[in-house]
Amino acid sequence: GENVEQHPSTLSVQEGDSAVIKCTYSDSASNYFPWYKQELGKGPQLIIDIRSNVGEKKDQRIAVTLNKTAKHFSLHITETQPEDSAVYFCAAIISGSARQLTFGSGTQLTVLP
Amino acid sequence: GAVVSQHPSWVICKSGTSVKIECRSLDFQATTMFWYRQFPKQSLMLMATSNEGSKATYEQGVEKDKFLINHASLTLSTLTVTSAHPEDSSFYICSARPLYEQYFGPGTRLTVT
Repeated sequence: GENVEQHPSTLSVQEGDSAVIKCTYSDSASNYFPWYKQELGKGPQLIIDIRSNVGEKKDQRIAVTLNKTAKHFSLHITETQPEDSAVYFCAAIISGSARQLTFGSGTQLTVLP
Repeated sequence: GAVVSQHPSWVICKSGTSVKIECRSLDFQATTMFWYRQFPKQSLMLMATSNEGSKATYEQGVEKDKFLINHASLTLSTLTVTSAHPEDSSFYICSARPLYEQYFGPGTRLTVT
């Protein structure tokens, strides 16, 4: 089955700096990679996703890059703000299949004011 | 955007009683819904996958007689924790998938005393 590894487990950055979280996956058939943000006591919120036919996707301060050859994808947050502080999870799946999302272990991002 | 609601957001019950948690997709139909459990500072653990009109598929180690799942319609799934024990105390999160994307509810904090 799919295995997703996520690094780092914790990340602290100064407000205004960039943050990068990286994930690797094992199943080359996976073709859909969402990122979720989870604030304390809340459910995960889908913030951005990418499909395997695209190498990069950007939405304002958030971007995701995908390297299918190396089987890794990354979340980039620029101009970080204190409200970006949360746990971020990456995930991978073969879209359209009956399989479930395989999640990374999560990254606690803290943006220091 | 796609919204998934959960009710209640938190519940306290006594050992031996049963608790029902509702999950609704508010603005889309979901043929597949998922139930997750999350312990503090950990990733999401899939408990079961439910398809509308059919029996849920439980993950290994999840007692189907203890965690009853009913996916009665394309917008509603319920999780009933039967004969609750203190070790069932956890954060339960439902999720629904309209197509490729998967959206999560806000979670239900269950405390069994």
